[in-house]
Amino acid sequence: QKEVEQDPGPLSVPEGAIVSLNCTYSNSAFQYFMWYRQYSRKGPELLMYTYSSGNKEDGRFTAQVDKSSKYISLFIRDSQPSDSATYLCAMRALLDAGNMLTFGGGTRLMVKP
Amino acid sequence: SAVISQKPSRDICQRGTSLTIQCQVDSQVTMMFWYRQQPGQSLTLIATANQGSEATYESGFVIDKFPISRPNLTFSTLTVSNMSPEDSSIYLCSVGFGGDQPQHFGDGTRLSIL
Repeated sequence: QKEVEQDPGPLSVPEGAIVSLNCTYSNSAFQYFMWYRQYSRKGPELLMYTYSSGNKEDGRFTAQVDKSSKYISLFIRDSQPSDSATYLCAMRALLDAGNMLTFGGGTRLMVKP
Repeated sequence: SAVISQKPSRDICQRGTSLTIQCQVDSQVTMMFWYRQQPGQSLTLIATANQGSEATYESGFVIDKFPISRPNLTFSTLTVSNMSPEDSSIYLCSVGFGGDQPQHFGDGTRLSIL
């Protein structure tokens, strides 16, 4: 079993829909949680960054962390065709001096006009 | 964050040759990392580039195959040695500022081996 599981998709939604992207993990030491967006032929771009449990909102994006369930989510409101990309979740333990990230496999999202 | 430049952006190489990839950052960073992303896959950490000392390699990656240099706080290189078609992949540089700061990535080098 992988340390971080992410549905690979592809997830296809109409423009304007609410999108929910999710990751589950098994390592209870993870404390920092990130969502990266990766467009084709580009590197991962940091989208959201949260510490421990709770919600964080930035414009149309909301990140949720539920440490008790070992489950994180990224919600995209009013999705746009420009949101079409691969979304990667990543996590890190608090005491990892090496700053090492563990990535999910990525979910490919397609928003159709 | 930081502006991270990787060179080359892509290359096509012959089997058995070596290629050195450069990563330049526009500000001093605490940590630099090299990842591999195989087609349709997620990211796998190759090594942490340490300034002034040998890189720290992850399981499955060795210095003879992926020698890394980091002469200062803004620059690192990754060499892919004695390449085979299995090395065809995207190689990504990332940087971190230490503490609880997240990593930021360059756009990668797309490498194809014939």
